[in-house]
Amino acid sequence: AQSVAQPEDQVNVAEGNPLTVKCTYSVSGNPYLFWYVQYPNRGLQFLLKYITGDNLVKGSYGFEAEFNKSQTSFHLKKPSALVSDSALYFCAVSASGGSYIPTFGRGTSLIVHP
Amino acid sequence: AAGVIQSPRHLIKEKRETATLKCYPIPRHDTVYWYQQGPGQDPQFLISFYEKMQSDKGSIPDRFSAQQFSDYHSELNMSSLELGDSALYFCASSLGRVNTGELFFGEGSRLTVL
Repeated sequence: AQSVAQPEDQVNVAEGNPLTVKCTYSVSGNPYLFWYVQYPNRGLQFLLKYITGDNLVKGSYGFEAEFNKSQTSFHLKKPSALVSDSALYFCAVSASGGSYIPTFGRGTSLIVHP
Repeated sequence: AAGVIQSPRHLIKEKRETATLKCYPIPRHDTVYWYQQGPGQDPQFLISFYEKMQSDKGSIPDRFSAQQFSDYHSELNMSSLELGDSALYFCASSLGRVNTGELFFGEGSRLTVL
């Protein structure tokens, strides 16, 4: 079975500082990894994904994520946080040879302080 | 660009009543997913449809049923509602059942059971 762990319920960062939201995964087969963002009372929006190739993936709104196979991690990063980045972030995984239905983590609330 | 449309956005029901949620996927998307997100919870996969046939089944209660129609829209029918059914229900769509593809989510339907 595939699973995702987001170890932090909440991440606090000052505006202008770099941010990291952590995600680790467990799958059989090659992982396909995704990050989604959810603003209050809104649906999830796709940010970026890793399928294959370069371990550093760039996505929407200046976000990027680094795939680390040895650590089974896919942390979300941004060099300079904005107050408008405050939202709920979900990591998700599917796998080659497995279900195409992505499994989501429990989410991490990112709060960017002015 | 057209997005996933869900209706109604908000619904209030009494215990033991029934409710129907509707989802209109992005044009040309042939796969529809239903997720349930309880307060402070990650989205839980309920059921999916591909080309109007049930494709995968997750943690959908027996009291719930769903179908996808010829125009690819989907409806989630919930009967004998319980307090614990109060949640945000998301519909998502994709083009094909592809492990590497992102899902496109609607804004969600918030069901409150009193």
